[in-house]
Amino acid sequence: KAGVTQTPRYLIKTRGQQVTLSCSPISGHRSVSWYQQTPGQGLQFLFEYFSETQRNKGNFPGRFSGRQFSNSRSEMNVSTLELGDSALYLCASSLAPGLGGTGELFFGEGSRLTVL
Amino acid sequence: EDKVVQSPLSLVVHEGDTVTLNCSYEVTNFRSLLWYKQEKKAPTFLFMLTSSGIEKKSGRLSSILDKKELFSILNITATQTGDSAVYLCAVEAGYNFNKFYFGSGTKLNVKP
Repeated sequence: KAGVTQTPRYLIKTRGQQVTLSCSPISGHRSVSWYQQTPGQGLQFLFEYFSETQRNKGNFPGRFSGRQFSNSRSEMNVSTLELGDSALYLCASSLAPGLGGTGELFFGEGSRLTVL
Repeated sequence: EDKVVQSPLSLVVHEGDTVTLNCSYEVTNFRSLLWYKQEKKAPTFLFMLTSSGIEKKSGRLSSILDKKELFSILNITATQTGDSAVYLCAVEAGYNFNKFYFGSGTKLNVKP
């Protein structure tokens, strides 16, 4: 069974640009979450999608947005990049307990964004 | 404000030592607490705890949850260099599933 796949793995952007990151969850998982990981702040929750609907949202500015497609693949977008957006962006998928899962998060290897 | 605090932030031990990692939390509507191990890539799942006082074990690792005192511990006995990693504690909370609050992690370095 393939794991969570994130693309691209590494990217470099400059301030003011925008970026789109992609996440393909484990087959059958309908929930996809996004996290930002930085050395100072640890993992911070961005948002979670389930069946194409944003179900949960963290405390990030509106420059951070996401969406989920009917095949459960998800994208997140960051507009008007700032230096502080440099981070590892992790995607996680899960299968809800009510659907036969255990509720744990399965993580991808992340997209490392550097903003210059 | 919901928060998860891990201690210590970092730890250096020698092979064979036993370590205890701590995770305390203050959240609204607690659902579960999870432990993850992160080396240089994706965090990998260790344990999920939902009930107080029931120890979960996997080899040399074990964990327990205290929902009255709002904390969990992760024990690693007979540590090995391969245990060197960042250990993350995550608490699922709120009124919807899948909203997790992570601690900042404990960086464990096991020396030969």
